[in-house]
Amino acid sequence: KNEVEQSPQNLTAQEGEFITINCSYSVGISALHWLQQHPGGGIVSLFMLSSGKKKHGRLIATINIQEKHSSLHITASHPRDSAVYICAAHLGGATNKLIFGTGTLLAVQP
Amino acid sequence: EAGVTQFPSHSVIEKGQTVTLRCDPISGHDNLYWYRRVMGKEIKFLLHFVKESKQDESGMPNNRFLAERTGGTYSTLKVQPAELEDSGVYFCASSQEPGPWETQYFGPGTRLLVL
Repeated sequence: KNEVEQSPQNLTAQEGEFITINCSYSVGISALHWLQQHPGGGIVSLFMLSSGKKKHGRLIATINIQEKHSSLHITASHPRDSAVYICAAHLGGATNKLIFGTGTLLAVQP
Repeated sequence: EAGVTQFPSHSVIEKGQTVTLRCDPISGHDNLYWYRRVMGKEIKFLLHFVKESKQDESGMPNNRFLAERTGGTYSTLKVQPAELEDSGVYFCASSQEPGPWETQYFGPGTRLLVL
């Protein structure tokens, strides 16, 4: 079992729908990262959070430290949101490694 | 400002051959990370350089993998001899500082196929 689990693995939505991607982790973390990779593109950082909620445009990330769970929400989804969304746990301390989930492939259809 | 670059973008080699991947981090970034994603699996950490020193190489799979960062600028990852299970996408990332709140900037990856 991976230390970071994401669901769903694949998600198809219609343009305009509200989207939620979930991430659960079983390790102690200093920060939870959400990243995005467009088809044929590089990986870019979206959010880093350790508590509460962060918002950037139509993207919202939340985290519940007690439940070891984070969600990424996309409001008013658009085809350009189609990408792989990846959560990754940063353990902090002496290590600077990121532990990644398997990613969620999102396809938003017009 | 140029981002993280990786070379080559693709490499197809035969089992037993040697391949060297290169990563050029963002200028001024002392921290350089290597990651790998094998088919159908999650991205996994390989190692972390701070300047020319290996800070953490706990993710290196075995001694067929050798990473170097001479002079603290670009880094190379050599696989010798390559095995079929080494196929995957190798990502490099860099950050100015270490730590959980530092953005890691990823390169486009090198797609390695071992036949």
